[in-house]
Amino acid sequence: AQSVTQPDIHITVSEGASLELRCNYSYGATPYLFWYVQSPGQGLQLLLKYFSGDTLVQGIKGFEAEFKRSQSSFNLRKPSVHWSDAAEYFCAASNDYKLSFGAGTTVTVRA
Amino acid sequence: SAVISQKPSRDICQRGTSLTIQCQVDSQVTMMFWYRQQPGQSLTLIATANQGSEATYESGFVIDKFPISRPNLTFSTLTVSNMSPEDSSIYLCSVDGVSGRADEQYFGPGTRLTVT
Repeated sequence: AQSVTQPDIHITVSEGASLELRCNYSYGATPYLFWYVQSPGQGLQLLLKYFSGDTLVQGIKGFEAEFKRSQSSFNLRKPSVHWSDAAEYFCAASNDYKLSFGAGTTVTVRA
Repeated sequence: SAVISQKPSRDICQRGTSLTIQCQVDSQVTMMFWYRQQPGQSLTLIATANQGSEATYESGFVIDKFPISRPNLTFSTLTVSNMSPEDSSIYLCSVDGVSGRADEQYFGPGTRLTVT
């Protein structure tokens, strides 16, 4: 069965520190991959996407993600976290038009 | 990306009643999607709505419970019928991206529904 796994339910990081959120997928073929962010009380905002080509993808708000086929992973990173990055982050995958979402990772930023 | 609005933003409803949620997009889009996000959970696709055809429902969701309309290329509604407390969720609509890729989706702000 196709699935997306985010192993970390909750991550706490200090402001200014680096952040990495893990995402693994299980699909027959390499799916298209996405990261979304959901701030409290808000809808989902697309951070970045990977369809093909360069495996290091740049997104909005200073985020980047690296696709690793050998590890079936698409991890999200940010070099220096801001307090406004506190939110829920969802990894998603698709090999048709349907998105499958991971369970999400809640990021808390401490001062 | 498209600008998507939803009405209402939140509502508290009594069990046994129905609520219709509206989704409006500022540009014409081919596909619109409805998702449910139960408390503390991830998103689950309810159905896909294309203009001019009946909605396509995912496993576990039926038209009698979640009727959907798609009268034109910028608007859709989702009705949650005969509600029970288990229907308390955030309901989000999304649209396919301007690139034409249906899986590059943009989301509305969501409708937070509480059923008492």
